[in-house]
Amino acid sequence: GQQLNQSPQSMFIQEGEDVSMNCTSSSIFNTWLWYKQEPGEGPVLLIALYKAGELTSNGRLTAQFGITRKDSFLNISASIPSDVGIYFCAGHEAAGNKLTFGGGTRVLVKP
Amino acid sequence: DVKVTQSSRYLVKRTGEKVFLECVQDMDHENMFWYRQDPGLGLRLIYFSYDVKMKEKGDIPEGYSVSREKKERFSLILESASTNQTSMYLCASSVIGRSYEQYFGPGTRLTVT
Repeated sequence: GQQLNQSPQSMFIQEGEDVSMNCTSSSIFNTWLWYKQEPGEGPVLLIALYKAGELTSNGRLTAQFGITRKDSFLNISASIPSDVGIYFCAGHEAAGNKLTFGGGTRVLVKP
Repeated sequence: DVKVTQSSRYLVKRTGEKVFLECVQDMDHENMFWYRQDPGLGLRLIYFSYDVKMKEKGDIPEGYSVSREKKERFSLILESASTNQTSMYLCASSVIGRSYEQYFGPGTRLTVT
């Protein structure tokens, strides 16, 4: 199946830092999504992007749909401890019901 | 508040056993999905269903089957569990036409020994 390459695989955050992660694909998607999974829970949708070039914010989160439609990034500004979790990008094609997920970025707090 | 529930949070089974994982949603969603989650591989789709008694294979259906007899319930069946099926299993649902907006259950961590 299709592959989404998500990086970094993990990162440590310090409170107040801005962090970013990105996702690239070999295929075009019509919709890009970002989900967050907290420990012991299923993923929850954070942001949905519907057209190339779109920049969307949800509180301290900002995501962009790449112009080529093959990539997306997510920024978290002014990190706080509750930002820990695993962030997944996902792509959705125009036809069909399937999402393709990236491998996830695990966000941890610096000791 | 939307709710997707899964029958067990943790399950330990022996190789060769038949395993049933149950998922129930209370949102009247048409679509339901089963994924497995493994570190570094993200979520991979096993099967999905867009209506009662309808199902389609996902990316990794081998070794699994599903059943959807009622709209709110979607079951994943491992006919003969193997150790390489040790994983986290996530169920999700969505309304038809908005399949990118999926609501997930908390997951079942299955260990096959």
